[in-house]
Amino acid sequence: QKEVEQDPGPLSVPEGAIVSLNCTYSNSAFQYFMWYRQYSRKGPELLMYTYSSGNKEDGRFTAQVDKSSKYISLFIRDSQPSDSATYLCAMSVTDSWGKFQFGAGTQVVVTP
Amino acid sequence: DAGVIQSPRHEVTEMGQEVTLRCKPISGHDYLFWYRQTMMRGLELLIYFNNNVPIDDSGMPEDRFSAKMPNASFSTLKIQPSEPRDSAVYFCASSSGTGAHNEQFFGPGTRLTVL
Repeated sequence: QKEVEQDPGPLSVPEGAIVSLNCTYSNSAFQYFMWYRQYSRKGPELLMYTYSSGNKEDGRFTAQVDKSSKYISLFIRDSQPSDSATYLCAMSVTDSWGKFQFGAGTQVVVTP
Repeated sequence: DAGVIQSPRHEVTEMGQEVTLRCKPISGHDYLFWYRQTMMRGLELLIYFNNNVPIDDSGMPEDRFSAKMPNASFSTLKIQPSEPRDSAVYFCASSSGTGAHNEQFFGPGTRLTVL
């Protein structure tokens, strides 16, 4: 079993809707959590970085961490066609790039 | 800055051939990372360097894979001999620090197909 599980999708939503993405994990020691966005045939780019539990908001993006349930979420409000991409979660026990485990990614399609 | 530069962008080769992927990190970044991405396994860290020295190569799948960083502005990932299961997108990334609060910047990737 993988340490980080993510539904591959695709997740199709109409423009303006809220996109809800999530990852589950098995290692209760994970403390550092990230969300990446990856456009087709491009490298991933960091969207959100959070430590421990709680919420973090950045513009239309909100990241939530529920350590008791071993579950993290990313919400995209007022979705736009430009949000169509694959979203990857990543997490680690320590704040070290060498230790982050990535999810397989969820493909999101926002239709006009 | 031009960002992380990778070459070639696409590589098609036959099984048994040697493949060399190249990366130029962002100037001033001390950390360089090589990743592999497949549909089945997602994004996996293969190896990373700090100040041109390999720090952790535990993700390198087997002895057929090797990576070098002869100077601060250049790194290579070599596969010899290549096999069809090596087909994947290989990403290079660089960062100014090892902590995740130091953003990691990815290159556009090299799409490798081994026939």
